[in-house]
Order: sequence, then structure tokens, then C-alpha cells
Amino acid sequence: DVKVTQSSRYLVKRTGEKVFLECVQDMDHENMFWYRQDPGLGLRLIYFSYDVKMKEKGDIPEGYSVSREKKERFSLILESASTNQTSMYLCASSPSFRTGHTGELFFGEGSRLTVL
Amino acid sequence: AQTVTQSQPEMSVQEAETVTLSCTYDTSESDYYLFWYKQPPSRQMILVIRQEAYKQQNATENRFSVNFQKAAKSFSLKISDSQLGDAAMYFCAYRSAVPGGGADGLTFGKGTHLIIQP
Repeated sequence: DVKVTQSSRYLVKRTGEKVFLECVQDMDHENMFWYRQDPGLGLRLIYFSYDVKMKEKGDIPEGYSVSREKKERFSLILESASTNQTSMYLCASSPSFRTGHTGELFFGEGSRLTVL
Repeated sequence: AQTVTQSQPEMSVQEAETVTLSCTYDTSESDYYLFWYKQPPSRQMILVIRQEAYKQQNATENRFSVNFQKAAKSFSLKISDSQLGDAAMYFCAYRSAVPGGGADGLTFGKGTHLIIQP
């Protein structure tokens, strides 16, 4: 089974702190994603990556950055956390379409971040 | 840009009955995938069912089936014989199948909270 592991289930940080959310997948997937989930808003794409060292902005990249130095690891960085970044963050991965994969994403358990 | 709309923020159904969750989407593409994901409380998002747009036959997975109406851009999920374990948030999602597309992941609806009454 595909396993996507997020390093922290729950974090509490203070405004202005730098926050790292780590995600690791064990299935050699090319694509990795960071989503933010808020009640009534569904899931919104922050950033995605289709290869090592490659990154693309999603729908809501402001206030976030990402790093993908190894294929299996995709990190989300909040340079200076703010209270409006309190949310659930979901990491996901998928193979490339070139492999004949039919499109679904595999999700981690989520990281609930509270910024005080 | 594609959009996905789930018009029912919350649905309630009696255990053992059937419930249908609605989803509509907007796209100019002809080749794509549609998904229903389930997110139980405080648990991981998991895939319920998948539909390829080029397939006319509606997908079925045990008690879960879809009604895919491509011309109407509608993709509803039917859950038969509802069980207490079906209680969750359900998300409808779209992904492009265009070569070079789809690397940007899924577009999600806002979700439907399904309550199962014992």
C-alpha cells in the first residue's frame, strides 16, 4: 500500500515563527502536493511538485514556500506564521500519468496547525 | 479553470437506507477523471470511487455507485444500505487527463457532511 507520512499531526506555533511541515511518500511517486483544508472551503492547492527541485504555485501560494530536494520528500514552509494560517494541511502524492496511472491522489493523515 | 460544486453542505440518512450526494463540475476539457473521496472524522482522506470521462458505464464499488452524466457535467454518488461507518465528509474532485495536465492535482468541491442516523 502507498504510504504518505506527515511528520506532525498537531502543531502549535506563535505568530512570526518559521514552521516546517514535512511529508514523505514511499512509492516513488513523481508528483507531490500540499493542500490546505478549511471548513466550508474544501481543499485548496498551495503548491505542487512534479519532480525533484521542481515546484509550481497552486491556487493559494501566498505566505508559503516549498522544498523538494529528494523525490520522496516534500516540505511546506511558513516563513513567518500568521494566525490566518491556522488550518489543516494535507500532503498527497501520485505517479506520473506517463506510467498509465489513472489519476487519484494518495493522502497523508494531515497536520493540524494552530498559530497563536 | 475547472470548478467543482457540491450543493449539499450536509446530508442525513437513516442507517440501511440509500442516499445520493450531488456534484457538478465545469470544464472545457473532454478527457478527465472524476473522484469521490471520503474523510472520516480526524482520519485520512481515502478514495471511494473513480470515473474516467471516456467511459460511458457508471463506476461501481460494492455499495457505492455513481451517476455520471457527461453532457450535464454531473457526477453524483449513491450509497446503498448506509452504515454507521459511512459517516464522513465526502469530497467530489476533478483531475485533467490532458497530457501535461493533471500534474497540478485535483480540484475539489467544498464537501458534503454525511450523517448516518442509527
